[in-house]
Amino acid sequence: GAVVSQHPSWVICKSGTSVKIECRSLDFQATTMFWYRQFPKQSLMLMATSNEGSKATYEQGVEKDKFLINHASLTLSTLTVTSAHPEDSSFYICSARGGPDTGELFFGEGSRLTVL
Amino acid sequence: GQNIDQPTEMTATEGAIVQINCTYQTSGFNGLFWYQQHAGEAPTFLSYNVLDGLEEKGRFSSFLSRSKGYSYLLLKELQMKDSASYLCAVTDSNYQLIWGAGTKLIIKP
Repeated sequence: GAVVSQHPSWVICKSGTSVKIECRSLDFQATTMFWYRQFPKQSLMLMATSNEGSKATYEQGVEKDKFLINHASLTLSTLTVTSAHPEDSSFYICSARGGPDTGELFFGEGSRLTVL
Repeated sequence: GQNIDQPTEMTATEGAIVQINCTYQTSGFNGLFWYQQHAGEAPTFLSYNVLDGLEEKGRFSSFLSRSKGYSYLLLKELQMKDSASYLCAVTDSNYQLIWGAGTKLIIKP
């Protein structure tokens, strides 16, 4: 099946710094990518929908200036957590959809962020 | 509003069969997914149903009734490694994925 690669898998940073997480579709072109956050023992929470070549659509309550999303190509979307704080520590997961009429999603491995 | 309901937690015995139910109310329907998620890992795709009926894939089967807004995931010959959360998700008319909260399945020897 299709492969989505996410990097880094683990990241530890100091409070106030910025962290970039990459999500790549390795063998298909992803017109739409989704970024999720998951806190321990909770389900996935959609943060934003990223469409190639246009601005991301953020879910209610997600700060667009804090969580910068860039989808500059059909195979790469990035999530930058700016001025990270300990409460941003979470498991961030991306997923990609192959086309506008394709329902199936392919998930990255996830990135665990710990902010000290 | 859009809503996905599934039990919070279930317990079953190794070697047995368990059925995890999912009911949904969404704006349109373009398919239902089941994902398995082990703690600390990303979800793993299990099944996709878009038409009514039963889809069998090894020890796992998934059933869909669109008229009832209902699906279940059936796991047979349970193994300890099947202990995980099972997420039901529905794609609505805009192909947005609506997630259930997940069912934590505990397998006992």
